Amino acid sequence: EPEVTQTPSHQVTQMGQEVILRCVPISNHLYFYWYRQILGQKVEFLVSFYNNEISEKSEIFDDQFSVERPDGSNFTLKIRSTKLEDSAMYFCASRSVGAPGNTGELFFGEGSRLTVL
Amino acid sequence: AQSVTQLGSHVSVSEGALVLLRCNYSSSVPPYLFWYVQYPNQGLQLLLKYTSAATLVKGINGFEAEFKKSETSFHLTKPSAHMSDAAEYFCAVSDAGGYQKVTFGIGTKLQVIP
Repeated sequence: EPEVTQTPSHQVTQMGQEVILRCVPISNHLYFYWYRQILGQKVEFLVSFYNNEISEKSEIFDDQFSVERPDGSNFTLKIRSTKLEDSAMYFCASRSVGAPGNTGELFFGEGSRLTVL
Repeated sequence: AQSVTQLGSHVSVSEGALVLLRCNYSSSVPPYLFWYVQYPNQGLQLLLKYTSAATLVKGINGFEAEFKKSETSFHLTKPSAHMSDAAEYFCAVSDAGGYQKVTFGIGTKLQVIP
């Protein structure tokens, strides 16, 4: 069964360092997302990406964050200068929208846990 | 904009007892509704979804949910809890076209007592 894969599974970084989280969405999906979950809290939307551009972003997704689909298969989230409060589990998701029978659910990766020290 | 409210951040049930996790939604357009489950240290797995075909939806692991438009509810139930059901459950909503983001509730942590 096709799945979304994320790397790394866990990354520890120093405050102020740049971090890149990588995702490989399901191959025929067209919409890509990043969500985050701070320990013990809700799953929060960060950004959605379609047709090589951001389609929607939340207040959390400030200038320190960026996304890219560099090569047609990977979908990356970059945090330019990490803060302590960026420590969270980051989930990538993809969905196929618009196809007959599609029902819009997100398919999630296993997550990348980011710890900022 | 869509949103969901999950009543009860923690629910405890005895093994074999009925599981009822509550979710109410708010949506300005016909919604798609989802329940996801998250086991400890794992990602989010789709349990079931409502996409306007049938109001009673059956999912994996014996779970089901009923869409009630008059009550704007989409509660998750299971007749008999198993120890393996202990996890966190998230209700989520999207627009019916599926083009907008999926918005999650705060989650309900289910504890199953032997």
